[in-house]
Amino acid sequence: QKEVEQNSGPLSVPEGAIASLNCTYSDRGSQSFFWYRQYSGKSPELIMSIYSNGDKEDGRFTAQLNKASQYVSLLIRDSQPSDSATYLCAVNSSYKLIFGSGTRLLVRP
Amino acid sequence: DADVTQTPRNRITKTGKRIMLECSQTKGHDRMYWYRQDPGLGLRLIYYSFDVKDINKGEISDGYSVSRQAQAKFSLSLESAIPNQTALYFCATSDNGQGSSYEQYFGPGTRLTVT
Repeated sequence: QKEVEQNSGPLSVPEGAIASLNCTYSDRGSQSFFWYRQYSGKSPELIMSIYSNGDKEDGRFTAQLNKASQYVSLLIRDSQPSDSATYLCAVNSSYKLIFGSGTRLLVRP
Repeated sequence: DADVTQTPRNRITKTGKRIMLECSQTKGHDRMYWYRQDPGLGLRLIYYSFDVKDINKGEISDGYSVSRQAQAKFSLSLESAIPNQTALYFCATSDNGQGSSYEQYFGPGTRLTVT
């Protein structure tokens, strides 16, 4: 069974700090990687996708991919209390997505 | 209007009852998925369909069945509900092809409670 691993947290950071969320995956054939944000009781919302090694920036979010190490990360700069949510890492495997169980982020005002 | 809708949004039912959850989408996507989410266990795939004639079991299909009535509609049935099927259920869609086609877009979810 292909796996995606995340630290469940909670990761607590002060407002304005950088939050760093990490994810490892087991399927070396994976080519597409995604970060979803999920507020409590709500559906997952796609916030970042990355397909090649390196960094991809979108506003306050930066996704980082290292296929050799099978590692994906999400950096959130200038964290805001509204960023408090669970962040799900997802990796494609055989035409499907495998989701990690998520990291809960708390941003303290 | 939302691109992916689910009905009902909340449902309480009794053990042994048959339940149908419905999903509709206006995104024009070919691929549709049903997931359940339990606290601490993340999203687990129940069934997926890559087109109207292609339906596949996911990792936890026992006790569930699906119907793909049209490109835009994908229903999930619990033939005889049991309490451990109490969970949050999500429908999702994606385009076909490569790369960004793996992006999945989720409906608002159905909270199902089996007593």
